[in-house]
Amino acid sequence: DTAVSQTPKYLVTQMGNDKSIKCEQNLGHDTMYWYKQDSKKFLKIMFSYNNKELIINETVPNRFSPKSPDKAHLNLHINSLELGDSAVYFCASSPQGQANTEAFFGQGTRLTVV
Amino acid sequence: QQQVKQSPQSLIVQKGGISIINCAYENTAFDYFPWYQQFPGKGPALLIAIRPDVSEKKEGRFTISFNKSAKQFSLHIMDSQPGDSATYFCAASKRRSGGGADGLTFGKGTHLIIQP
Repeated sequence: DTAVSQTPKYLVTQMGNDKSIKCEQNLGHDTMYWYKQDSKKFLKIMFSYNNKELIINETVPNRFSPKSPDKAHLNLHINSLELGDSAVYFCASSPQGQANTEAFFGQGTRLTVV
Repeated sequence: QQQVKQSPQSLIVQKGGISIINCAYENTAFDYFPWYQQFPGKGPALLIAIRPDVSEKKEGRFTISFNKSAKQFSLHIMDSQPGDSATYFCAASKRRSGGGADGLTFGKGTHLIIQP
């Protein structure tokens, strides 16, 4: 009964490949996010998506694209992978509501590009 | 431009001592200030959070102190235990006009080690 689950947990791939990371939440939340944690552990938001609106961090390359088949899923597609894309990617979700509330994070996907 | 600045980068505290981590923010539109705890190989998990209408919030051994005029907030861990050894992140977010919130803007993290 994991709240936010990501697959795979580890992903090793070659430069130039296209890959996807899947995320599912069973909390009934309206908003989902993708965060990137670099080698220095710095966490930075990449996208937020609330089933109606996609907010993209302007620093994210357009090789990255979120895709949401339904409210409970937000997958991350990455095209033409580069060495610098190596990082841990976290999916998260939170209720929309009127006030900010807790964001629940998945366990992360460690992506290694070789 | 780093909107949330966190210090120190690393901290070593003796068991039973008080751990203090500080954060400062720049965007006055921020209205939610959580602290997250992350263990190796795990995702961040909410520890405690505060909104700017209060100056302090306490949950068990964890206390947030908030100074709106100085745009600063801090985490105090009382009676620190070896199990508290983890990376701690402060964060901030603001509401969006259409409802909901922007994603979290994180500080760079503090690696806390509690020595037995």
